[in-house]
Amino acid sequence: GENVEQHPSTLSVQEGDSAVIKCTYSDSASNYFPWYKQELGKGPQLIIDIRSNVGEKKDQRIAVTLNKTAKHFSLHITETQPEDSAVYFCAARPLSSGAGSYQLTFGKGTKLSVIP
Amino acid sequence: GAVVSQHPSRVICKSGTSVKIECRSLDFQATTMFWYRQFPKQSLMLMATSNEGSKATYEQGVEKDKFLINHASLTLSTLTVTSAHPEDSSFYICSARDPYLSSYNEQFFGPGTRLTVL
Repeated sequence: GENVEQHPSTLSVQEGDSAVIKCTYSDSASNYFPWYKQELGKGPQLIIDIRSNVGEKKDQRIAVTLNKTAKHFSLHITETQPEDSAVYFCAARPLSSGAGSYQLTFGKGTKLSVIP
Repeated sequence: GAVVSQHPSRVICKSGTSVKIECRSLDFQATTMFWYRQFPKQSLMLMATSNEGSKATYEQGVEKDKFLINHASLTLSTLTVTSAHPEDSSFYICSARDPYLSSYNEQFFGPGTRLTVL
């Protein structure tokens, strides 16, 4: 099965600086890679995703890069703000599943703290 | 659109009792619903996958007789924790998928239910 590794587990940055979170995956069949933001006591919220036919995707201050050859993908947050403080999870799965389950495999999460 | 709700948001129960958690897709039809469990400072662990009208598929190590899942309609799935014990205390999160809503089979997550078993 798929195995997703995520680093670092904690990350502290000064407000205005950039934050980078990296993930690697093991299953070459995976081709959908979403990133989720989870605030304390709440469910995960999708913030950006990327599919394997794209190498980079950007949405305002958030960008994701994908290197399918190396099996790793990264989340980049620029001009960080205190409200970016949360736990971020990467995930991976095939775009289509023969079993029809569409299951996500999650990384262990990164706690991001943005210091004002 | 694509809102998933869970009820209750928090529940405290005595050991040995059963607790039911509801997961609803408010504005779309959830062909598939997923139930996750999350311990403090840990990642989401998939417990089971349920397709509407079918029996749930449980992940290895998850007791199907303890965690009863019903997905009787396209907008509602329930998770019942039977004979709950303190070790069942956790954050339970559901998600839902509608293949007609998202061509990438995106999962939409609920806000979670905090279960505390005394």
